Amino acid sequence: SQLAEENSWALSVHEGESVTVNCSYKTSITALQWYRQKSGKGPAQLILIRSNEREKRNGRLRATLDTSSQSSSLSITATRCEDTAVYFCATEIASSSFSKLVFGQGTSLSVVP
Amino acid sequence: DPKIIQKPKYLVAVTGSEKILICEQYLGHNAMYWYRQSAKKPLEFMFSYSYQKLMDNQTASSRFQPQSSKKNHLDLQITALKPDDSATYFCASSQTVSAETLYFGSGTRLTVL
Repeated sequence: SQLAEENSWALSVHEGESVTVNCSYKTSITALQWYRQKSGKGPAQLILIRSNEREKRNGRLRATLDTSSQSSSLSITATRCEDTAVYFCATEIASSSFSKLVFGQGTSLSVVP
Repeated sequence: DPKIIQKPKYLVAVTGSEKILICEQYLGHNAMYWYRQSAKKPLEFMFSYSYQKLMDNQTASSRFQPQSSKKNHLDLQITALKPDDSATYFCASSQTVSAETLYFGSGTRLTVL
């Protein structure tokens, strides 16, 4: 099973509305990351939120982290058509000398006019 | 200008053949990765390299062989191709071996007939 999972496969909202994507994870983390992948492109990081942070913002994006429930959310306000993409949460799995990112299965967001 | 160049963008191969996927990064990063994305699975970590040394390998099959001729190159050789290998292969890089922020290329979409 995935170490990080978004809770919805797909969401659809109208332009201007707000939307929240949720993620749950199964390991102890130092940070959780949110990525966005637009069609035909590779993922791009949106927000990195560390385990000692409860909230982090980046423009219209707001991420929260609740380490007690091992969950995170990414909210987008005033959505635009260009926000249409797949949104992933990812956790870093670290060993002694290196680490890797493990991604959830992604939530496909459609923003329609 | 794209900072991580993957070639080719699309690749069609026949079962049993061999292909090499090319990746070059011009971000000055010290770590590079390969991820695979298919309809059946989320972004799946395959390999990580740092300073041309293999750091982690999560690929069960020896048919997948990364090749690093320079610090900023990490190619992926796939031999004895199977239809199940059909996927989009993403190259990524990070500043250090701590995968805090990954920068992804646009991917090579491989179709094996």
